[in-house]
Amino acid sequence: ELKVEQNPLFLSMQEGKNYTIYCNYSTTSDRLYWYRQDPGKSLESLFVLLSNGAVKQEGRLMASLDTKARLSTLHITAAVHDLSATYFCAVDNREYGNKLVFGAGTILRVKS
Amino acid sequence: GAGVSQSPSNKVTEKGKDVELRCDPISGHTALYWYRQSLGQGLEFLIYFQGNSAPDKSGLPSDRFSAERTGGSVSTLTIQRTQQEDSAVYLCASSYDRGPGNTIYFGEGSWLTVV
Repeated sequence: ELKVEQNPLFLSMQEGKNYTIYCNYSTTSDRLYWYRQDPGKSLESLFVLLSNGAVKQEGRLMASLDTKARLSTLHITAAVHDLSATYFCAVDNREYGNKLVFGAGTILRVKS
Repeated sequence: GAGVSQSPSNKVTEKGKDVELRCDPISGHTALYWYRQSLGQGLEFLIYFQGNSAPDKSGLPSDRFSAERTGGSVSTLTIQRTQQEDSAVYLCASSYDRGPGNTIYFGEGSWLTVV
């Protein structure tokens, strides 16, 4: 069974600080996604990571993938209030069917 | 359209009634997914379509749930004899195909409340 674990599940941080959200998964993956969800809204795609060592950056967010460790990280640099949201990682693997398996999500609150 | 469109956006129904939820994927997207998100919970996979066929129905929670897709485009998720535990946000997503790097785009969701 493909399982995805995120930590922390809740993160409260001050503006200007850096932090990392971790995403571990239980087996090999074809693709790893990071999504953002604002309250009452749908999911916004942030990154798709395919290969070992992949790194993608958008603004204050940077995602990386280590397929050997089955680990992805989402690093937040100099957080601002607008980054407050829930962040999900998700993994798919054709051997486990055609579906994304999501982590539980990390609720991020950036305090002014 | 510009994005994945779902309707209705909100639905309140009485226990025991049937409901239909509609999804219009992004034009040209062959892969279509249904997910369910309960309050404060993560996302639960329901069903996947490739074109009009559903090779993976493994997430449908009971035989009260069914889905179809016609013309390789619009999909309908039907819940029969709704129960209170069916209350959730039902999210539809689509992608161009299952090739590597294809982003999966989500709709705004249909918020279902069973009273």
